[in-house]
Amino acid sequence: ELKVEQNPLFLSMQEGKNYTIYCNYSTTSDRLYWYRQDPGKSLESLFVLLSNGAVKQEGRLMASLDTKARLSTLHITAAVHDLSATYFCAVDDFWGGGSEKLVFGKGTKLTVNP
Amino acid sequence: NAGVTQTPKFQVLKTGQSMTLQCAQDMNHEYMSWYRQDPGMGLRLIHYSVGAGITDQGEVPNGYNVSRSTTEDFPLRLLSAAPSQTSVYFCASSYGRGSLGETQYFGPGTRLLVL
Repeated sequence: ELKVEQNPLFLSMQEGKNYTIYCNYSTTSDRLYWYRQDPGKSLESLFVLLSNGAVKQEGRLMASLDTKARLSTLHITAAVHDLSATYFCAVDDFWGGGSEKLVFGKGTKLTVNP
Repeated sequence: NAGVTQTPKFQVLKTGQSMTLQCAQDMNHEYMSWYRQDPGMGLRLIHYSVGAGITDQGEVPNGYNVSRSTTEDFPLRLLSAAPSQTSVYFCASSYGRGSLGETQYFGPGTRLLVL
């Protein structure tokens, strides 16, 4: 059974600082997603990582995937208040017999303080 | 394109009542899914569909039914509502694994309160 673990679950950081959110998963997968959710809103897609070593960047966020270590990271550079949100990673459970079955981590609630 | 739409936005039910949460997409996506989101639990898959006429269970299917008669619509039925079904429900759709780099698109959500 695929399990996805994110840490930390809560992250409070100052503007201008850097930090990394980690996403570990328990079984083989070749596809990992990062989403952002603002309070009371839906999920917004940030990154789709499809292969080992994949790295994608958008603004102050950079995501990477190491399929051998079953680890993805979401790195935040020089945080700004607008990045405050909850960030979810989700892993495709295709090899568990379910195409397009996503298993989500519990989310990391990020608060960026002035 | 409207994307993924869900109705209603908010619903209050009494224990034992039934209802249908509606989900529609206009992107011609083959794959559609229903998730529930509970505090501290992330999102959990309820049911999903890989095309019209084809559905399957996710992680937490008990108490819910689905059907997929058209590509566009994927309703979720609560058979006999229970307080444990109080949650926020999200519908999502995508082209599927054949489209590299394709993500799932999420609807705005339905907040359900069961008393």
